[in-house]
Amino acid sequence: SAVISQKPSRDICQRGTSLTIQCQVDSQVTMMFWYRQQPGQSLTLIATANQGSEATYESGFVIDKFPISRPNLTFSTLTVSNMSPEDSSIYLCSARWGETEAFFGQGTRLTVV
Amino acid sequence: KQEVTQIPAALSVPEGENLVLNCSFTDSAIYNLQWFRQDPGKGLTSLLLIQSSQREQTSGRLNASLDKSSGRSTLYIAASQPGDSATYLCAVRETTDSWGKLQFGAGTQVVVTP
Repeated sequence: SAVISQKPSRDICQRGTSLTIQCQVDSQVTMMFWYRQQPGQSLTLIATANQGSEATYESGFVIDKFPISRPNLTFSTLTVSNMSPEDSSIYLCSARWGETEAFFGQGTRLTVV
Repeated sequence: KQEVTQIPAALSVPEGENLVLNCSFTDSAIYNLQWFRQDPGKGLTSLLLIQSSQREQTSGRLNASLDKSSGRSTLYIAASQPGDSATYLCAVRETTDSWGKLQFGAGTQVVVTP
């Protein structure tokens, strides 16, 4: 199965600061996805990151708050900007190769104080 | 809009019992359905993927069925073990989505007691 590495695995941040989460996959993939899981909730898609183009954001998520980079076919970053306690969540990156199952990273547990 | 529902929200069983987890979806136009396991504070581990043309998929003690016309999938875990304690999530990929994003249910939290 595919390997998706995410870092940091967890962080505690001050409100008003920004955190960049990195996601590395072990083989080239066209589409990568960023999800958020708020405490006690299920996963919600933030955006789809396609290499070489701007990310596509879901309703309720904006680029200024969650800028995404996708510089190549094996790497992506998600930044959580100007954080508030409401941003405390697990952030997960995901990828799919062809029509196979989707794979997920181990998640980044963010606490904003 | 696709809605994915998982019932029950929580389940506690003694070791050795079989587990039955339910997932329903409102729009039958799905490309596939995937079951995941999530341990507390961790990422997701893929368990089974069922394509829309399939009726079931098996892996070891796990068996998942799919009835697309009625909008239902069931995950069976045979002879449960304490190590099966986790939250189980189902997710669908819709046929209208060419990028492969998933719509998730809220999950079923399972506790298997020794």
